[in-house]
Amino acid sequence: EAQLVETGGGLVRPGGSLRLSCAASEFTVSRNYMSWVRQAPGKGLEWVSLIYSGDLTYYADSVKGRFTISRDNSKNMMYLQMNSLRIEDTAVYYCVGGSSFDYWGQGTLVTVSS
Amino acid sequence: QSVLTQPPSASGTPGQRVTISCSGSTSNIGSNTVYWYQQLPGTAPKLLIYPNNQRPSGVPDRFSGSKSGTSASLAISGLQSEDEADYYCAAWDDSLNAWVFGGGTKVTLL
Repeated sequence: EAQLVETGGGLVRPGGSLRLSCAASEFTVSRNYMSWVRQAPGKGLEWVSLIYSGDLTYYADSVKGRFTISRDNSKNMMYLQMNSLRIEDTAVYYCVGGSSFDYWGQGTLVTVSS
Repeated sequence: QSVLTQPPSASGTPGQRVTISCSGSTSNIGSNTVYWYQQLPGTAPKLLIYPNNQRPSGVPDRFSGSKSGTSASLAISGLQSEDEADYYCAAWDDSLNAWVFGGGTKVTLL
């Protein structure tokens, strides 16, 4: 079965940067719809970004201009470069595969705090 | 505030039928497929309902989804203890060019 594993989370100061990685197995990143979804502590799910066919990308308004989604097909990995981080970006970030959000990673916690 | 509106909580006794609503607009539920996800405590969400009320392998048939106009609903027939979880609806929004989620509904057994 498909497995997605996120890494790269941690503590960062406001205004700082972080890059999240998502490693996929039994699932081909290059041929699939890939997304990032986040969940602030005690809150609901919030879609962040997606990348699909031909490297088309979309972003939530809350992260547009600050976050960049990308993938490395040779490594079967997806990334989320997060710049100008804000306190409100604090959340567990999930890597999600499939156009129905079929497969979810276990999540990686990003904490933005001074 | 979430673009899709769900009740914050729902409850029922074991074996009872519970329904969760998800209200949106013509640009999301009215135009696109609605998906449902289950998040058990301390775990990642998982896909519960596909388009056309299909379920991924392993999801019991007591879970079913429906849609009418700009609203959708998830029904759990024969509520069981392992169904205590948070449930989220989601759909693509053509106006926002973004995926939108409901705020989530916490289901508890009485």
